[in-house]
Amino acid sequence: EDKVVQSPLSLVVHEGDTVTLNCSYEVTNFRSLLWYKQEKKAPTFLFMLTSSGIEKKSGRLSSILDKKELFSILNITATQTGDSAVYLCAVEANTNAGKSTFGDGTTLTVKP
Amino acid sequence: NAGVTQTPKFQVLKTGQSMTLQCAQDMNHNSMYWYRQDPGMGLRLIYYSASEGTTDKGEVPNGYNVSRLNKREFSLRLESAAPSQTSVYFCASSEAPANSPLHFGNGTRLTVT
Repeated sequence: EDKVVQSPLSLVVHEGDTVTLNCSYEVTNFRSLLWYKQEKKAPTFLFMLTSSGIEKKSGRLSSILDKKELFSILNITATQTGDSAVYLCAVEANTNAGKSTFGDGTTLTVKP
Repeated sequence: NAGVTQTPKFQVLKTGQSMTLQCAQDMNHNSMYWYRQDPGMGLRLIYYSASEGTTDKGEVPNGYNVSRLNKREFSLRLESAAPSQTSVYFCASSEAPANSPLHFGNGTRLTVT
């Protein structure tokens, strides 16, 4: 059974801090790992990491994938209150197209 | 561009009642999904449809049925609601079943008493 574990479960920082969110996984025949941000309602897509794309960056957010050690990290630099959200990690396997497995999420709170 | 639209936004049912959650997407995506999210937990897949005309079970399908009505619409039915089905339900779509990010609707908050 595929498994995704995110840490920490929650995190409180102040504006301007840098945070690192962790996602470790166990999946047979790994295909891709995706990060989503969930504010009040629907999760929104951030990054997809695959064997051919193990590092992604967009503004203050960046993510890397370590396929050998089976984990990914999401970094947010110079945090802002608008970064407060639940960050979800999901993995896909080649053998289960369409069946993404999600972690329980990390709740990030950024205080002014 | 509406994206993924779910109805209703909120619903309260009594144990044993039935209802259908509706979902439509206007992005011409091939694949559609139903997830549930419980407090402090991530998303768990109920059912998905890789393409029009196909449906398959996810991680937690018991107590639910789905219909892929056409390429745009994917409905989720609870035939006899139970308190354990109290949850927030998200519909999502993607261009393809693999290597494609999910686009989510805003969710339906369902309470079963």
